[in-house]
Amino acid sequence: GAVVSQHPSWVICKSGTSVKIECRSLDFQATTMFWYRQFPKQSLMLMATSNEGSKATYEQGVEKDKFLINHASLTLSTLTVTSAHPEDSSFYICSFGAVYNEQFFGPGTRLTVL
Amino acid sequence: QKEVEQNSGPLSVPEGAIASLNCTYSDRVSQSFFWYRQYSGKSPELIMSIYSNGDKEDGRFTAQLNKASQYVSLLIRDSQPSDSATYLCAVYRADEKLTFGTGTRLTIIP
Repeated sequence: GAVVSQHPSWVICKSGTSVKIECRSLDFQATTMFWYRQFPKQSLMLMATSNEGSKATYEQGVEKDKFLINHASLTLSTLTVTSAHPEDSSFYICSFGAVYNEQFFGPGTRLTVL
Repeated sequence: QKEVEQNSGPLSVPEGAIASLNCTYSDRVSQSFFWYRQYSGKSPELIMSIYSNGDKEDGRFTAQLNKASQYVSLLIRDSQPSDSATYLCAVYRADEKLTFGTGTRLTIIP
């Protein structure tokens, strides 16, 4: 399968600060990237879909001004959690893949907001 | 009705036995189906994909799909302790969004 990296793997920040998470595809290019969030003992919930060269599409209930997504290139996507609060503490996972085909997930970033 | 339903478990299976994991989905037009394995604290890892009715085998894993019944399953033969994990069923909806079930926690008992 494809190799996807995420950085950082974990981050602890104070409430009100912003955190940027990077997601890179190491061995293939994809026009479509996905960001998921997973709370403890729950399944993955899609936050947004981004296509290279266009704005991200956010799922219902996900604040686009709070979770900024930049699909900078065919191998890089970033998620910035702005003005983070404790309720944003979660496991954030990116993935690359073609629609209707396998998605390959990054290792995830565990965010803890104090 | 949830879009993708799985028995949350936990499912305990003796080492060497067959583990059977089930999943039902609600969107009749779904065409792509996946099983992912997730270890605690890690991200999902693709185990199997299946797109047409019938069985698909890969090593110790067999995925089964029945679109008429809106049912997909995963069989793990010769279960090993390393198979202990949460197994996520994922289905593409008609709106091109991959939707996950809540997962079945599988424990292989040595």
